[in-house]
Amino acid sequence: TQLLEQSPQFLSIQEGENLTVYCNSSSVFSSLQWYRQEPGEGPVLLVTVVTGGEVKKLKRLTFQFGDARKDSSLHITAAQPGDTGLYLCAGDPGTYKYIFGTGTRLKVLA
Amino acid sequence: EAGVVQSPRYKIIEKKQPVAFWCNPISGHNTLYWYRQNLGQGPELLIRYENEEAVDDSQLPKDRFSAERLKGVDSTLKIQPAELGDSAVYLCASSLVLSGGPYEQYFGPGTRLTVT
Repeated sequence: TQLLEQSPQFLSIQEGENLTVYCNSSSVFSSLQWYRQEPGEGPVLLVTVVTGGEVKKLKRLTFQFGDARKDSSLHITAAQPGDTGLYLCAGDPGTYKYIFGTGTRLKVLA
Repeated sequence: EAGVVQSPRYKIIEKKQPVAFWCNPISGHNTLYWYRQNLGQGPELLIRYENEEAVDDSQLPKDRFSAERLKGVDSTLKIQPAELGDSAVYLCASSLVLSGGPYEQYFGPGTRLTVT
């Protein structure tokens, strides 16, 4: 069973600080996605990465796929209260079935 | 474009009672998923449909859970009888899956089930 471990599990920071969330596995993924989920809502896709070493930017968010396609990171610059939520990575091992990570709960304090 | 619709949003039942969840996916999406999400954790796939066919139900506890997707559109997920450990958020998602590439899952808001 593939397992995607996210770290940290919880993160509470002040507005304006930077942070990085990690998503690690021993398995290779053909693609990896990052989602953000707010309370009472379903996850919303932020980005999909498919190539080893790929870097994508979405405003203040930077996503990187590891060279070996086993891990990924999400970096947020100058975090804002609106970034608060549960961040989930999800990897497809090539079976058209995305396996979700354990989640990182982020709280940004004003 | 309307999103994925789920109902009810909340359900509280006593153990051993039956419960059903309904999902209306985004129009034109050929693939539908049911996930279970425990508090603070990532969703776990229960079943995946391609059109009307259940192509992956390996994680569905078949002794008490059942699902159907009539006419390849709406879907229902049923639990009978419910157990305390079934308390969770049940998420429905849909995708337009074409061969050879990654796909985006669109999630509904979920149904929060509490079994007492």
